[in-house]
Amino acid sequence: DTGVSQNPRHKITKRGQNVTFRCDPISEHNRLYWYRQTLGQGPEFLTYFQNEAQLEKSRLLSDRFSAERPKGSFSTLEIQRTEQGDSAMYLCASSYYQGGLTDTQYFGPGTRLTVL
Amino acid sequence: ILNVEQSPQSLHVQEGDSTNFTCSFPSSNFYALHWYRWETAKSPEALFVMTLNGDEKKKGRISATLNTKEGYSYLYIKGSQPEDSATYLCAPSANQAGTALIFGKGTTLSVSS
Repeated sequence: DTGVSQNPRHKITKRGQNVTFRCDPISEHNRLYWYRQTLGQGPEFLTYFQNEAQLEKSRLLSDRFSAERPKGSFSTLEIQRTEQGDSAMYLCASSYYQGGLTDTQYFGPGTRLTVL
Repeated sequence: ILNVEQSPQSLHVQEGDSTNFTCSFPSSNFYALHWYRWETAKSPEALFVMTLNGDEKKKGRISATLNTKEGYSYLYIKGSQPEDSATYLCAPSANQAGTALIFGKGTTLSVSS
C-alpha cells in the first residue's frame, strides 16, 4: 500500500449534475477526512470519519453534500445538483489515531472538480 | 474559527539560499501545529507535527520551531534546492481531538538553479 488514492483525478460536469468521488485510505487507518481547496485558499475541512462513523461535519458541508464510509475502509463524497461554486480540489486524508492530542493526516492527490 | 496567517505569500530564491517562512495563529486553545509541503500535481506531504512550546523539529535541510505562547511557527530551509519548490502549508488543529486542521493559504517557494 503506497498511500491514499482518490478517483477520479479530474471531473468536469455540468451545473445541476450529481458527482461522486472515491477515496481509498491507507490500510489500517481508522480515520478518514475530506477537505476542499478553492483557488488561492488553503484546504478547508469538510468532514471526518472514525471507522464507519461520521463524527464531525463542517458548516461548509451543505445539504447537497453527503459522505459515507460504509465499511470503515473506502469513502465516497457525493455532491448533488452541482453549482459552479463547487468547483474546487477535493482532498481526502487518512490517519491512524491511537489517542493523544493529534495524529498525522496523510493526503491523497485530490480530485479536481470543474462545474461548467 | 481559527485565523491562520502565513507569510510571505510567495518567495523566489536562488539555489543555495537559505530561507524561512512564518505561520501565525491564535495562541489560545492551542493543540498542535502541522506543516505540509505540497508540490504541484502531487499529494500534500506531511513534514512536521508539533505540540509543545519550544518544539524544534528537523528533517534533512528543513527545520521548524514553535512558539505557542505568542502564536507563531517558523519553517526554515537551509541551502534551498530546485526540488524544494512547492507550497508550504501550516495547519493548527481546531480541536483537542486533532481532527479538523485549519490551513493557512500557504507560502509558495520557487527555487531557481
